[in-house]
Amino acid sequence: GAVVSQHPSRVICKSGTSVKIECRSLDFQATTMFWYRQFPKQSLMLMATSNEGSKATYEQGVEKDKFLINHASLTLSTLTVTSAHPEDSSFYICSARRQAVSYEQYFGPGTRLTVT
Amino acid sequence: SQQGEEDPQALSIQEGENATMNCSYKTSINNLQWYRQNSGRGLVHLILIRSNEREKHSGRLRVTLDTSKKSSSLLITASRAADTASYFCATVIIQGAQKLVFGQGTRLTINP
Repeated sequence: GAVVSQHPSRVICKSGTSVKIECRSLDFQATTMFWYRQFPKQSLMLMATSNEGSKATYEQGVEKDKFLINHASLTLSTLTVTSAHPEDSSFYICSARRQAVSYEQYFGPGTRLTVT
Repeated sequence: SQQGEEDPQALSIQEGENATMNCSYKTSINNLQWYRQNSGRGLVHLILIRSNEREKHSGRLRVTLDTSKKSSSLLITASRAADTASYFCATVIIQGAQKLVFGQGTRLTINP
């Protein structure tokens, strides 16, 4: 199967600091990766679409200067939450799409961010 | 924006019973997918049904799609305690980027 990992799984940081979350496709190449945010007992909200070697496409209402996305290789995308605030506390999930299969996405286990 | 709405929002049944969850959407789709999420974990892909398909089976799962009503249902037969999770439908719309748009989800609890 296709495996996607995220690191770290949990992170607690102080308000004003920046946090980087990594998303890796372990056994396949992913030209496209997606970043989602999920609040407790709610659905996933797409934040941005990340294509390898190009700038990410952000959804309406998502601040690109606050949520920096880098997709440097076919197996790694990073999300950096800059100058984090308590309202940024959430569950962040990435997914990756295989090159050859367009519609199926493989999800990482998620990262729980808590900003104090 | 979320275009999927799921019904019910929460469902609690006894082990062995069947569980049915419904999903409605608003725009024309290329396909519809169902995912499962255990509490605090990532999503697991369950099944994909294309817009030209009406029904699909996978083990104890049965998915239907009615494009005229813009709705889908997920049936889990002979439920088990391990089926306890949140279930989300997600659509891939025809126009624009091929991204998933998730429904609000159904929290399913199977009581032993």
